[in-house]
Amino acid sequence: GQQLNQSPQSMFIQEGEDVSMNCTSSSIFNTWLWYKQDPGEGPVLLIALYKAGELTSNGRLTAQFGITRKDSFLNISASIPSDVGIYFCAGRFETDSWGKLQFGAGTQVVVTP
Amino acid sequence: DGGITQSPKYLFRKEGQNVTLSCEQNLNHDAMYWYRQDPGQGLRLIYYSQIVNDFQKGDIAEGYSVSREKKESFPLTVTSAQKNPTAFYLCASSTLGGHEQFFGPGTRLTVL
Repeated sequence: GQQLNQSPQSMFIQEGEDVSMNCTSSSIFNTWLWYKQDPGEGPVLLIALYKAGELTSNGRLTAQFGITRKDSFLNISASIPSDVGIYFCAGRFETDSWGKLQFGAGTQVVVTP
Repeated sequence: DGGITQSPKYLFRKEGQNVTLSCEQNLNHDAMYWYRQDPGQGLRLIYYSQIVNDFQKGDIAEGYSVSREKKESFPLTVTSAQKNPTAFYLCASSTLGGHEQFFGPGTRLTVL
């Protein structure tokens, strides 16, 4: 199946810095989801977006549903060591009648003290 | 606590053997999914089920089989026909037609 383009592939940042990552698709999505995965564990849902232009926060995390409905970004402010992990975007095509999700390849975040 | 459990956490298999991965959920979700995760790649859908006794192939179903005899359970069998079975397998569930999928902790399968 078609995958989303997620970038960057990896990020090495210092504690306290802000982090930004994004996902783009050539198709229109009606849902964007952002997950975090710790090593050896299953992904955990961070934020869900349902409308174009929607901006949603969850603590230090902020995500937006792009106006074109073909992209989304996730920001992490004031990073801390526990932010380490792989962040995945996932989207649901407008034309899908059930819950099939397309996943990005992930952004690996490494936080150094 | 409501959630999804997968067992075992680690599984080793000899070539030519079938092996079954367990997935159980107590979230009362109708839909369940199996994904495969390989390093540096997004999750790829193996099979999904929207209702008991019904399931559909995903993008990479070859070499895998599933059953859905109970709402809570969706076991995945990795058969000897799967040419490259070593991977991390994730089970997920959602409400029927729901946008949000919730994942289990995963099973790492290694073929020796």
